[in-house]
Amino acid sequence: EPEVTQTPSHQVTQMGQEVILRCVPISNHLYFYWYRQILGQKVEFLVSFYNNEISEKSEIFDDQFSVERPDGSNFTLKIRSTKLEDSAMYFCASSEGANEQFFGPGTRLTVL
Amino acid sequence: AQSVTQLGSHVSVSEGALVLLRCNYSSSVPPYLFWYVQYPNQGLQLLLKYTSAATLVKGINGFEAEFKKSETSFHLTKPSAHMSDAAEYFCAVSRSSGGYNKLIFGAGTRLAVHP
Repeated sequence: EPEVTQTPSHQVTQMGQEVILRCVPISNHLYFYWYRQILGQKVEFLVSFYNNEISEKSEIFDDQFSVERPDGSNFTLKIRSTKLEDSAMYFCASSEGANEQFFGPGTRLTVL
Repeated sequence: AQSVTQLGSHVSVSEGALVLLRCNYSSSVPPYLFWYVQYPNQGLQLLLKYTSAATLVKGINGFEAEFKKSETSFHLTKPSAHMSDAAEYFCAVSRSSGGYNKLIFGAGTRLAVHP
């Protein structure tokens, strides 16, 4: 069964460093999303992406964040200068369109 | 605006007992409602969704949920809990049936099942 994959499963970085979180969505899906879950808090929407551009973003998704689909398979989330409060589990999701969003297993980001 | 409230961050039941996980929503437009489950070290998996076709929705693993507009609720139930049901459950609301629009999640309910 097709699934969304994410790498790495755990990323540790120093405050101020750039990180790139990678996702491979399901191959025939057209819509892509990033969500995050800070420990003990709810899953929060960050950004959605369609047709090579951002379709919606939350107020969390400020200038420090960017997304890219560099090729036909990967979907990345970049955080330019990480802060302690960026520590969270980041989930990638994809959907075919009007159907459900399929989630990856997440990347746990720890900022020291 | 849309939001979701899940009552009870932790629920504990005995194996074989009824499972009831509560979800109330707020939405200024007709809502689409979802229940997702998260097993340890895994992503979110869709259990079931309400898309206005029927108020009683059946999902995977024996779970079902009933949409009650008058109560703005979408509670998740399962008649008989199994040990493998132990996981975290998230209720979510959206303006569409899954694609196109973001999901807005509740805080989650961790279900423990004891023998």
